[in-house]
Amino acid sequence: QLRLQESGPGLVKASETLSLTCTVSGGSISSSNYYWGWIRQPPGKGLEWIASVYYTGSTYYNASLKSRVAISVDTAKNQFSLKLNSVGAADTAVYYCAGDSSGFHWGQGTLVIVSS
Amino acid sequence: EIVLTQSPGTLSLSPGERATLSCRASQTVSSNYLAWYQQKPGQAPTLLIHGASSRATGIPDRFSGSGSGTDFTLTITRLEPEDFAVYYCQQYGNSYTFGQGTKLEIK
Repeated sequence: QLRLQESGPGLVKASETLSLTCTVSGGSISSSNYYWGWIRQPPGKGLEWIASVYYTGSTYYNASLKSRVAISVDTAKNQFSLKLNSVGAADTAVYYCAGDSSGFHWGQGTLVIVSS
Repeated sequence: EIVLTQSPGTLSLSPGERATLSCRASQTVSSNYLAWYQQKPGQAPTLLIHGASSRATGIPDRFSGSGSGTDFTLTITRLEPEDFAVYYCQQYGNSYTFGQGTKLEIK
């Protein structure tokens, strides 16, 4: 059974870079069946897709965040990562990593608070 | 960008009743790549339906999806107490976008 686990700081200062890693277990990140992505959810609000990556390194970004986001994959570690720079209060959210194979299969999520 | 509009925003029903949730897309969803998710407080979303009408593994058959093109529906027959949650639709045919959610609450 595929399992995903987010890790990274829960508190980031405004204007700095948010960095998160997702560790995949129970399956290979090099599977051709999956794209790997990040989605976020501000407190009390809806879901926003941020970015996705394929094991080959091909990347896909939400146009509204593209200038600040980078997603990458490390097949040796079975991990993929997110970097979001120049963060502000609006970036405070629960960040989920997920595997996409005809719909997302989600990690448990991690709350990231941007402090001033 | 494909915008998904869900209705109603809140649906108040009693256990045992039937729930019908709507998701309308601003453009045709390619290959009916439309998914539905359930989210309970403090939890990650769970995939219910993919490909507009295929139930995900382990999802009870009281959940069903239908529709094509721009209009999609999630139906829950015979509501159980654990079904009261927020439901999101998502398209994955042209990048990814989510609807704003429908809250299903106990009447």
